[in-house]
Amino acid sequence: QKEVEQNSGPLSVPEGAIASLNCTYSDRGSQSFFWYRQYSGKSPELIMSIYSNGDKEDGRFTAQLNKASQYVSLLIRDSQPSDSATYLCAVDGGSQGNLIFGKGTKLSVKP
Amino acid sequence: ETGVTQTPRHLVMGMTNKKSLKCEQHLGHNAMYWYKQSAKKPLELMFVYNFKEQTENNSVPSRFSPECPNSSHLFLHLHTLQPEDSALYLCASSQEFLQETQYFGPGTRLLVL
Repeated sequence: QKEVEQNSGPLSVPEGAIASLNCTYSDRGSQSFFWYRQYSGKSPELIMSIYSNGDKEDGRFTAQLNKASQYVSLLIRDSQPSDSATYLCAVDGGSQGNLIFGKGTKLSVKP
Repeated sequence: ETGVTQTPRHLVMGMTNKKSLKCEQHLGHNAMYWYKQSAKKPLELMFVYNFKEQTENNSVPSRFSPECPNSSHLFLHLHTLQPEDSALYLCASSQEFLQETQYFGPGTRLLVL
């Protein structure tokens, strides 16, 4: 069974610091990787997608992918209290057309 | 109105009730999805529709019955639910089937008494 693993946290960082969120996945054939942010009581919101090994930057967010290690991470620079949320890692489920989600990591940014 | 909308946003029902959840997407997408999100569990895919045709039924109990009359609308009909079915039910859509960039609706928070 395909799995996506994340540390549930909570991960607590001070305002202005770098938050590092990690995710591992079981299916070597996965090609597409996503990070969703979910505020408490709200639905997931796509913030980053990455398909190739290496880094992808978008504003304060950087996604990192290492397919050999089956590892994907999200770095948030200059963390803000508004970044406090649960971050969901999602990986493509192959021919089924679905996404396989991790349980999410709860991030808390302290002012 | 844009994006993916869901109604109702909150629903309380007894185990003998019949209710329906509605999802509508205004993005011109062709694939739609139902997910279940329970506390401390990963999002669970329930159903996938591609061009109104169901392509995935992820071993969901028959007390959940989906309906997709067209590419913009998706329903989840509920009957004789159990308390453990209480969860957040999320609808999502993507431009094409097998395109993983999915956009979620706000969800329906369901409580089964």
